[in-house]
Amino acid sequence: NAGVTQTPKFQVLKTGQSMTLQCAQDMNHNSMYWYRQDPGMGLRLIYYSASEGTTDKGEVPNGYNVSRLNKREFSLRLESAAPSQTSVYFCASSQHQGYGYTFGSGTRLTVV
Amino acid sequence: RKEVEQDPGPFNVPEGATVAFNCTYSNSASQSFFWYRQDCRKEPKLLMSVYSSGNEDGRFTAQLNRASQYISLLIRDSKLSDSATYLCVVAHDRGSTLGRLYFGRGTQLTVWP
Repeated sequence: NAGVTQTPKFQVLKTGQSMTLQCAQDMNHNSMYWYRQDPGMGLRLIYYSASEGTTDKGEVPNGYNVSRLNKREFSLRLESAAPSQTSVYFCASSQHQGYGYTFGSGTRLTVV
Repeated sequence: RKEVEQDPGPFNVPEGATVAFNCTYSNSASQSFFWYRQDCRKEPKLLMSVYSSGNEDGRFTAQLNRASQYISLLIRDSKLSDSATYLCVVAHDRGSTLGRLYFGRGTQLTVWP
């Protein structure tokens, strides 16, 4: 009963490096989301995918790209990492938009 | 103005105490409401949905006041295991932000023996 699986759990990048955060869910959910969480800022939506084949920007999309590879998988890419992208990243899914989310365990990213 | 405002706390209470958290939301398009719980260095987990008539789940009671755009969570007979951050969450029911969830910054609770 995996739910939402995120990889990697931890990552350290140098400024300018690129990487892709992976997310997969096995609950047959339609909607998937990427959030970042910073101290004192709460959860902020980066990108979301309401259904397979669609993606939309959230509150803080700059510096990120996403791909909804299929119904199960939703990846987040940092093309050129910056120290301001140091954060904890959470992927989430829901059956439909507005329903309660199930979150992955998070990726702790440090950009030096 | 943020979509969802919460008192960040921290709230420090003894075991057995009753504690209440409040939350206000700014957008009248908000239609669905939730409380999430987040343990230190863990992901948020859904604690309970909040219904218009108010609802209870064991020691937890959630209330909604649409006129005042106000949500509350009451925890009775606090346990050590209740120590966590509680996130107030709203979802919009119309417009370009249909279905999107907005999270408050969270209220930190510590229950001490």
